Amino acid sequence: DSGVTQTPKHLITATGQRVTLRCSPRSGDLSVYWYQQSLDQGLQFLIQYYNGEERAKGNILERFSAQQFPDLHSELNLSSLELGDSALYFCASSVLDSSSYNEQFFGPGTRLTVL
Amino acid sequence: AQKVTQAQTEISVVEKEDVTLDCVYETRDTTYYLFWYKQPPSGELVFLIRRNSFDEQNEISGRYSWNFQKSTSSFNFTITASQVVDSAVYFCALSEAYFGNEKLTFGTGTRLTIIP
Repeated sequence: DSGVTQTPKHLITATGQRVTLRCSPRSGDLSVYWYQQSLDQGLQFLIQYYNGEERAKGNILERFSAQQFPDLHSELNLSSLELGDSALYFCASSVLDSSSYNEQFFGPGTRLTVL
Repeated sequence: AQKVTQAQTEISVVEKEDVTLDCVYETRDTTYYLFWYKQPPSGELVFLIRRNSFDEQNEISGRYSWNFQKSTSSFNFTITASQVVDSAVYFCALSEAYFGNEKLTFGTGTRLTIIP
């Protein structure tokens, strides 16, 4: 158990809908990362937050957005869903300080199926 | 731009055989980190190893060993005396090493099947 929790584990929805994926980082970790694993694109970085602020952005669609709240949990919002958004979405967290490299600990993932 | 190539899409070996998973990377950075992750059928990502670009020593952990060769930009992973529980998808990943850019760039993965 990495200490990172993600809810829900599975999500089935229809095209055009909007969903929210939730991530709680390990205790003490300030940074949260979102990754998408799909058959087409493989495992790719979407976005990173650090202590409530967006820190880095990857291949995240405009229909997707994320935020990190004061209690450090993060939510990934996916809207106007398309079939191609079906994927496993991972959240990872790390302490993130300048003194040493920060391991990213991955949650169990949320499997999204868009029908 | 960073890139990680895992040319082996799928490998099948008989139990107890040794198997090597290849990873080739591209980066303009002089300092970076390399990783291997395991994704068993249950789907979670399990961290196996991190290697700093300055440390080219090979590492052994039980039946697992890693060979890092900066000259050929490779970071290969060998499982000795494979077991059925080693069946999984294995990902090699790369990240820059400076504070402020920690995102992981993953390869496409190698699906390893150990045949009993």
